[in-house]
Amino acid sequence: GENVEQHPSTLSVQEGDSAVIKCTYSDSASNYFPWYKQELGKGPQLIIDIRSNVGEKKDQRIAVTLNKTAKHFSLHITETQPEDSAVYFCAASVPTSGTYKYIFGTGTRLKVLA
Amino acid sequence: NAGVTQTPKFRVLKTGQSMTLLCAQDMNHEYMYWYRQDPGMGLRLIHYSVGEGTTAKGEVPDGYNVSRLKKQNFLLGLESAAPSQTSVYFCASSYTEREKLFFGSGTQLSVL
Repeated sequence: GENVEQHPSTLSVQEGDSAVIKCTYSDSASNYFPWYKQELGKGPQLIIDIRSNVGEKKDQRIAVTLNKTAKHFSLHITETQPEDSAVYFCAASVPTSGTYKYIFGTGTRLKVLA
Repeated sequence: NAGVTQTPKFRVLKTGQSMTLLCAQDMNHEYMYWYRQDPGMGLRLIHYSVGEGTTAKGEVPDGYNVSRLKKQNFLLGLESAAPSQTSVYFCASSYTEREKLFFGSGTQLSVL
C-alpha cells in the first residue's frame, strides 16, 4: 500500500554541521513532495517542497533532492543553527478518488548542539 | 490574517462522551483536512473535504465524523470517545490538492 519511510528518527549534529534526512515513497504516481518543520507545541509549517519534474531545489541553507527512479527524496540543511532544532516531516502526494492526499513520514527529531 | 484556527486547544473526555472540534480558515481554501498525530506515527489523515458540502474518508476514519456546511469551517466529531482516540489533532487547509498545507496549532485530546 501507500507508504513513506523516513530516516533517521532522531539526529544530533553540532552547530555549523550539515544534516540530511531521507525519505522513500512507494507510489510511483506521487508527484509532489513537501517538507514540514514542527516546533514544540505548534503545527507543522512548510519549509520547502519539490515537484516530480525537478531534481533539486534550494532555498538558502535548505535544499531538497528527488530521485524518481529510486523513489526517494532528501532534505539537506547546511550550516545548522540551534533554531533548526525541531521535528521534520516529509510527505508525498498520492492520487486517490479523483484527488490527491498526503502520506507523511514518521518524522525526524533534529537536535542542533551548540 | 488568522490563517487556520482550531478550538479548543485542550480537552479531557471520559470514555463514551462526545465532542466536536472546530476548524476555521480565512484564506478561502477549498481543501480542508483533519489529521491525528501520535508518537512515532507521523500525521495520519482522518477525513478531508474538497469543497463546501463534501467530505471523504482518509486513512483512519473509524470513530470520527465530519461536516463542512460552510467553506471556511470543517468540524470533526467524536460520537463516543475511546482511549485510543487520545492524540493531538491538527486541521489543515490548502487552495488545491497539491499545494502547501496550512496547519492549525493543534488540539490535545485525552480520553480517560
